[in-house]
Amino acid sequence: QQPVQSPQAVILREGEDAVINCSSSKALYSVHWYRQKHGEAPVFLMILLKGGEQKGHDKISASFNEKKQQSSLYLTASQLSYSGTYFCGTASGGSNYKLTFGKGTLLTVNP
Amino acid sequence: DGGITQSPKYLFRKEGQNVTLSCEQNLNHDAMYWYRQDPGQGLRLIYYSQIVNDFQKGDIAEGYSVSREKKESFPLTVTSAQKNPTAFYLCASSALTGTVYGYTFGSGTRLTVV
Repeated sequence: QQPVQSPQAVILREGEDAVINCSSSKALYSVHWYRQKHGEAPVFLMILLKGGEQKGHDKISASFNEKKQQSSLYLTASQLSYSGTYFCGTASGGSNYKLTFGKGTLLTVNP
Repeated sequence: DGGITQSPKYLFRKEGQNVTLSCEQNLNHDAMYWYRQDPGQGLRLIYYSQIVNDFQKGDIAEGYSVSREKKESFPLTVTSAQKNPTAFYLCASSALTGTVYGYTFGSGTRLTVV
């Protein structure tokens, strides 16, 4: 079963913040986040392993609450280059390599 | 530079024909995957493989077949049994050991049935 992402779409002005959520009905081993620009391949952003860690690089960070089976992606001070569709991919059953992806969140950053 | 190469970029198929999509990686990754992407549906797993000569069905394997004769190659055949094959197909690979398990994706093949 696919994880549920919310919101489905969000429009920001440059410099604003956004949060994208990913929720699963299964016990999760890890959560991956990817960004895909139109017509291109998804690009890996980060992986969070169970343990409730938070990670980040630049102005993009993420958290993972394994008890709630949820992860959130935080984009702060958004830039035009952040536009794209964000996907979470979840791994469960003790395996970290086979991912089930959500339907994606379309993020549009306007000047 | 290491990466994944998918070919062709665009493919047109007549109804009733089988077509094969190529996927080659030079990242020395053990695992390889095929996903199908339809508008608004995200990425859905077709087949995956952890090791040469072994592969498993994903969530939507019906109408598709794969082979893994070499570590570097994981071709996908879309058979005539696939009722709605028009989609964007993405191949990916990942390491199975080490500290980073993120997927590397190819640039995709857009298949259209005409």
